[in-house]
Formats: sequence, C-alpha cells, structure tokens
Amino acid sequence: AQSVTQLGSHVSVSEGALVLLRCNYSSSVPPYLFWYVQYPNQGLQLLLKYTTGATLVKGINGFEAEFKKSETSFHLTKPSAHMSDAAEYFCAVSDHRGGFQKLVFGTGTRLLVSP
Amino acid sequence: EPEVTQTPSHQVTQMGQEVILRCVPISNHLYFYWYRQILGQKVEFLVSFYNNEISEKSEIFDDQFSVERPDGSNFTLKIRSTKLEDSAMYFCASSPITGGSETQYFGPGTRLLVL
Repeated sequence: AQSVTQLGSHVSVSEGALVLLRCNYSSSVPPYLFWYVQYPNQGLQLLLKYTTGATLVKGINGFEAEFKKSETSFHLTKPSAHMSDAAEYFCAVSDHRGGFQKLVFGTGTRLLVSP
Repeated sequence: EPEVTQTPSHQVTQMGQEVILRCVPISNHLYFYWYRQILGQKVEFLVSFYNNEISEKSEIFDDQFSVERPDGSNFTLKIRSTKLEDSAMYFCASSPITGGSETQYFGPGTRLLVL
C-alpha cells in the first residue's frame, strides 16, 4: 500500500536560510509524488509534482524537490526562505491502482520563518 | 484563476445531527473528491465521484456518509448522524481527468466541530 512519512511536524528557519522538508514514501507501483502547501485559511495548493522523467522537479515560489528512488525520498528544498513561505506543507503519493486516483498524504510539516 | 470553493468555512453541530458540507468544484472538472483531516493527523481520502456515482470510497466512508451532485455546480457531503469523532477539517477537491499524475485542486476546507 502507498504511504508517506514526513519527518518533523514543525521546522523553524531564519529568513534567508535553506529550507529542507523531508518526505519518504512507500509505493508498490512507480510513484507519482506531490507537494502541496496550505497557507492560513486557504486550500491546499500544488507546489510541484513528480511523474516521470527528470528527477529534480522545480515548482512555484522557488521550491524544488528531488526524487530519489534508492532512498524512497522526495525532499522539498528552497535555497533561501522568505517570510511568506510560512505555511503547512504536505507530501503526497498517488494511489491509482484502481484506475481512479486518490492521494495518500503525510501528516504535514509546519514551516516557521523568523526574521 | 478558477478555484474550488467550500461552504461553510466553519460549522458547529450537536452529536446526532445531520450536516451537509458544500463544495463548488472548478467548472470543467469531471472528478470530485472529499478528504478529511482530524486535528494533528493525516489528510485522509474519503471518497471519489465521477459521472454521478461513487468511483471509490475508503473504509471511513460508511453508511453515515453520502455524496451528491444535486445540480451542475455543487458537490455535497452529507453526514447523517454526526459523532464526536467526525470533528475534522473536510476538504473538497476536483480534477479535470483522473490518472496517477493528475493534479487535484483543493478548496479551503470546512472545519466541522461536533459537540
């Protein structure tokens, strides 16, 4: 069965510092992986996704993630944090074995950015 | 940019009462989903809906739950007799097509509190 583990329910960084949010997955089929962000009082917004091809995926707002099959990881990074990056981040893997897609999410990581 | 909307944003109800959560998916989307997140836990898939019928449901989606597309725009989740453990954030999502790599577009959620 598909599953996702996000290490760290909270990550704190200073503005300008590197952001690293960890995600490990388990999948019985080649995985499709997603990162969503949730800003306060808003819905889940897609940051980026990996389907096939290039393992380094670039998303919105300067975020990127690298798919590493050998490590079953899909960590999210951003070279320099901005105050506006403070939000909750969710990693998800697609379960589409039945023909219809459902997303299997991790527990989320709240990113705190201090001045 | 088109977005998924949900109403109400917050709902408080008494145990045993019926609640209806409403969603307006993006207009040209054909696949609809409900997810929920109990406080501090993972976002969990509840149900997917296509062509006016349920395509897949999780074990959480028991007989107390039902979904409906009563008209061309709304997509509703009904809980017939709410329990304390139904307290959660409920997210609606939609996608134009389905398949493992498709992006699901999420609404801002309805926070349900059952007293």
